[in-house]
Amino acid sequence: EPEVTQTPSHQVTQMGQEVILRCVPISNHLYFYWYRQILGQKVEFLVSFYNNEISEKSEIFDDQFSVERPDGSNFTLKIRSTKLEDSAMYFCASTWDTQYFGPGTRLTVL
Amino acid sequence: AQSVTQLGSHVSVSEGALVLLRCNYSSSVPPYLFWYVQYPNQGLQLLLKYTSAATLVKGINGFEAEFKKSETSFHLTKPSAHMSDAAEYFCAVSESGYNQGGKLIFGQGTELSVKP
Repeated sequence: EPEVTQTPSHQVTQMGQEVILRCVPISNHLYFYWYRQILGQKVEFLVSFYNNEISEKSEIFDDQFSVERPDGSNFTLKIRSTKLEDSAMYFCASTWDTQYFGPGTRLTVL
Repeated sequence: AQSVTQLGSHVSVSEGALVLLRCNYSSSVPPYLFWYVQYPNQGLQLLLKYTSAATLVKGINGFEAEFKKSETSFHLTKPSAHMSDAAEYFCAVSESGYNQGGKLIFGQGTELSVKP
């Protein structure tokens, strides 16, 4: 069964550093998403992406965040200058008729 | 604006007992509703979805949910709990279908424990 994959599974970084989280969506899907889940809190929408541009973004998705689909398979989330409060589990998702989630990347900012 | 409220952050049942996880939603348009399950250290797996067809929706692993517009509810049930059902369950709402790129708005989650 096709699945969404994410790398790395765990990323540790220093505050102020840039991080790139990578996702490979399911190949025939058209919409791609990033969500995050701070420990003990609910899953929050960050951004959706369609036809090589952002279709919607939340208030959380400020200028420190960017997304890109650099080739036909990868979908990335970049955080330019990480803050302590960016520590969370980040989930990528893609959809055709059902939204499939990847296993997540746990980001720890020290 | 859309929102989801899950009543009870933690529910504990005995093996073989009925599972009932409560979800109420708020939406300005007819909603699409979902239940996802998250096992420890794993991603979110879709259990079932309501997309304006039948109000009683059957999902995987014996779960089902009923859409009640008058009560703005979408409670998740399973007649007989199994130890393997222990996980975190999330209710989510979307105001547009997947083919329109609808984002999901999640509730806080309910952790289900199953006692032997």
